[in-house]
Amino acid sequence: AQSVTQLGSHVSVSEGALVLLRCNYSSSVPPYLFWYVQYPNQGLQLLLKYTSAATLVKGINGFEAEFKKSETSFHLTKPSAHMSDAAEYFCAVSDPGSSNTGKLIFGQGTTLQVKP
Amino acid sequence: DAMVIQNPRYQVTQFGKPVTLSCSQTLNHNVMYWYQQKSSQAPKLLFHYYDKDFNNEADTPDNFQSRRPNTSFCFLDIRSPGLGDAAMYLCATSRDRTSYEQYFGPGTRLTVT
Repeated sequence: AQSVTQLGSHVSVSEGALVLLRCNYSSSVPPYLFWYVQYPNQGLQLLLKYTSAATLVKGINGFEAEFKKSETSFHLTKPSAHMSDAAEYFCAVSDPGSSNTGKLIFGQGTTLQVKP
Repeated sequence: DAMVIQNPRYQVTQFGKPVTLSCSQTLNHNVMYWYQQKSSQAPKLLFHYYDKDFNNEADTPDNFQSRRPNTSFCFLDIRSPGLGDAAMYLCATSRDRTSYEQYFGPGTRLTVT
């Protein structure tokens, strides 16, 4: 079964430092991949998505992610963290067994803390 | 702006008292999802509608029901809320079953007293 692993439930960076949030998936078939951000008491907002086009995907708020098939990874990066980036980040992958439901499988989430 | 709206944002109900959460969308999407999210956890899919076709997840308790009277609206009914049902409930939509990109509402925080 498809699974998503986000390494590190908490990541802390200083303002201006590089942000790297890790995501690995298990499917042998390249899936659709997503990163969502969730601020406290809010819904999930789509940051970016990979749908088998360019492997380097640029999203909103300066984030980007690179799909690496050989590593089954889709890590999220941002060159310079802002205080406003502090939030929960979820990696999600399309469920290969759900070709007729559009279901996503979510990772457990990574809390990003940005220190002044 | 096209969007997903959830009402109310905060709901308090008593143990065992039925409660209904509402979701509406102006995206004209065919698929609507309901998720339960507990603190510091990933969203857990409860069920979804593809048009009028209802699809329940195998592990969704019978206490949870849903209605979709038309394309725009979807309701989550909790027949007898327990303390363990306190959570954030998220509604999401998707254009169709193959796009996978889901658009989320702001959520309803349910408290059970």
